[in-house]
Amino acid sequence: GAGVSQSPRYKVAKRGQDVALRCDPISGHVSLFWYQQALGQGPEFLTYFQNEAQLDKSGLPSDRFFAERPEGSVSTLKIQRTQQEDSAVYLCASREDRGRFHEQYFGPGTRLTVT
Amino acid sequence: QKEVEQNSGPLSVPEGAIASLNCTYSDRGSQSFFWYRQYSGKSPELIMFIYSNGDKEDGRFTAQLNKASQYVSLLIRDSQPSDSATYLCAVILGGSYIPTFGRGTSLIVHP
Repeated sequence: GAGVSQSPRYKVAKRGQDVALRCDPISGHVSLFWYQQALGQGPEFLTYFQNEAQLDKSGLPSDRFFAERPEGSVSTLKIQRTQQEDSAVYLCASREDRGRFHEQYFGPGTRLTVT
Repeated sequence: QKEVEQNSGPLSVPEGAIASLNCTYSDRGSQSFFWYRQYSGKSPELIMFIYSNGDKEDGRFTAQLNKASQYVSLLIRDSQPSDSATYLCAVILGGSYIPTFGRGTSLIVHP
């Protein structure tokens, strides 16, 4: 079946621009996660949705970052007034979360470069 | 101190050898453990998960979990150059639903 998809795959933004990154999870997956990955580091948690409810946004680095999943499927991560330190790969992952198993699957990521 | 620790490497092994990758975690109440493989420029790919103490084998991969000592290992038998990648350990720490990742160990398998 189809995996997690993300768009765009690459985004170049001028400092100060707003960007929106999209994630399509695996169909039927209840949980959705956003991570930020810097070069040479592991993914760092940003935010977590269970269906349409944002249950944890403790990893969002500033109030310029905002995420939503209004219908419990597609999610959008928005970054306002981008800064150079926002340059990273943004990964989305989804998880079925039925029963006791918790395997999480990643999309291909969006590489954001802020110039 | 990070909650999930991995040696960043690189770990270099010859083709055909066993590669052993280790991960320690801070929370004794952790229940779910995952290994991801990440090729350069690609996203992490789930290769193993383990929930119970002991060993779990899948093809050339074996995950080993020791909750008393708070470590989880990944063994790769008959290593191939195509196994060269960064291996990420992820742990769902006690009381959380969210996997916490280590920084990854770079593995190089040389012919």
